[in-house]
Amino acid sequence: DTEVTQTPKHLVMGMTNKKSLKCEQHMGHRAMYWYKQKAKKPPELMFVYSYEKLSINESVPSRFSPECPNSSLLNLHLHALQPEDSALYLCASSPGTLRSEQFFGPGTRLTVL
Amino acid sequence: SQQGEEDPQALSIQEGENATMNCSYKTSINNLQWYRQNSGRGLVHLILIRSNEREKHSGRLRVTLDTSKKSSSLLITASRAADTASYFCATDRMWGAQKLVFGQGTRLTINP
Repeated sequence: DTEVTQTPKHLVMGMTNKKSLKCEQHMGHRAMYWYKQKAKKPPELMFVYSYEKLSINESVPSRFSPECPNSSLLNLHLHALQPEDSALYLCASSPGTLRSEQFFGPGTRLTVL
Repeated sequence: SQQGEEDPQALSIQEGENATMNCSYKTSINNLQWYRQNSGRGLVHLILIRSNEREKHSGRLRVTLDTSKKSSSLLITASRAADTASYFCATDRMWGAQKLVFGQGTRLTINP
């Protein structure tokens, strides 16, 4: 299995909702990433997990809460989001954090009303 | 500001022609990668070139890296309609954990 899966594909939520995005990989990769991508812009790194520990948090607001329950799973918990948080959220994984290609999932298209 | 800047921002060519995209960056890097993204989808890794390499080939792709000018180029030869996508360069800093910083991207359109 050489793919990264993300669920759901689309999510619409209100500003008071709590929701979670899920990412899964079975390639034995030890690094996993969350990116946010606005329309016609490049992906921007949000979080990096290395060996199930949070290693990079790019000053992301606390309304985004990442979780790595095990080496194959990565969640992003969402709470009290703002309309400007609407974007494509991409998950990626890599064999390690040192100088290697990243494998991306198809993304979750999030709309905050 | 973004580590990588790409030009052109948009490129439209006829099928069969070659497409060249350029990327410039500001700090010392470990490697430079190129990714492709079809509209609204995930990114697909195309090629990685290390800082001590000058040129790399993969199928119809040729990547060059000039660390003295802090620039890279991606050449796609004999383009096909399926090559229509956005192309991003991504750099990985010399020090610290791998943090990819993506350029602004080039939107490539191949006209049949």
